[in-house]
Amino acid sequence: GENVEQHPSTLSVQEGDSAVIKCTYSDSASNYFPWYKQELGKGPQLIIDIRSNVGEKKDQRIAVTLNKTAKHFSLHITETQPEDSAVYFCAASRAGGGADGLTFGKGTHLIIQP
Amino acid sequence: DAGVIQSPRHEVTEMGQEVTLRCKPISGHDYLFWYRQTMMRGLELLIYFNNNVPIDDSGMPEDRFSAKMPNASFSTLKIQPSEPRDSAVYFCATSWSNQPQHFGDGTRLSIL
Repeated sequence: GENVEQHPSTLSVQEGDSAVIKCTYSDSASNYFPWYKQELGKGPQLIIDIRSNVGEKKDQRIAVTLNKTAKHFSLHITETQPEDSAVYFCAASRAGGGADGLTFGKGTHLIIQP
Repeated sequence: DAGVIQSPRHEVTEMGQEVTLRCKPISGHDYLFWYRQTMMRGLELLIYFNNNVPIDDSGMPEDRFSAKMPNASFSTLKIQPSEPRDSAVYFCATSWSNQPQHFGDGTRLSIL
């Protein structure tokens, strides 16, 4: 089955700096890669996703890149703000979107230092 | 629109008791997923349904766990008998077609 590795487990950055979280996956048939943000006591919330026919996607301060050959994808957050502090999860699935179970990475605790 | 609604939000019970977790999907969503989150294993898929039919239950840990979806508006995850190692946060997520999954806020389960 699919295995998703996520690094780092904890990331501390100064407010206003950029943060990068990286994930690798093992199943070459995976073609959908969402990123979720989880705040304390809440469920994961989708922040951005990318499908295998696209190499990069951007939404304001958030961007995701995908390298299918190397089987890795990354989340980039620019101009970080205190409200960006949370746990971030990458995931992968074979379906084009939500039509299959997601395999998650172990999460990255992002800390934005004021 | 209301999101995915899970109940109860917290459950504390003694080992050996039956536990029932409930999920109301977003209206119109035809996929429903149950996930479990623990510190050791992270977020892992237990089972998912499409149009109320179980599609993949390979993540269900053992026979003590069962899930049902009697109609498009309701699903349950049952543990009988419960054990301390079942303590975790259980999430329900729903989606439609190839759209992203939306998660509820989970049920925090503690088995004493």
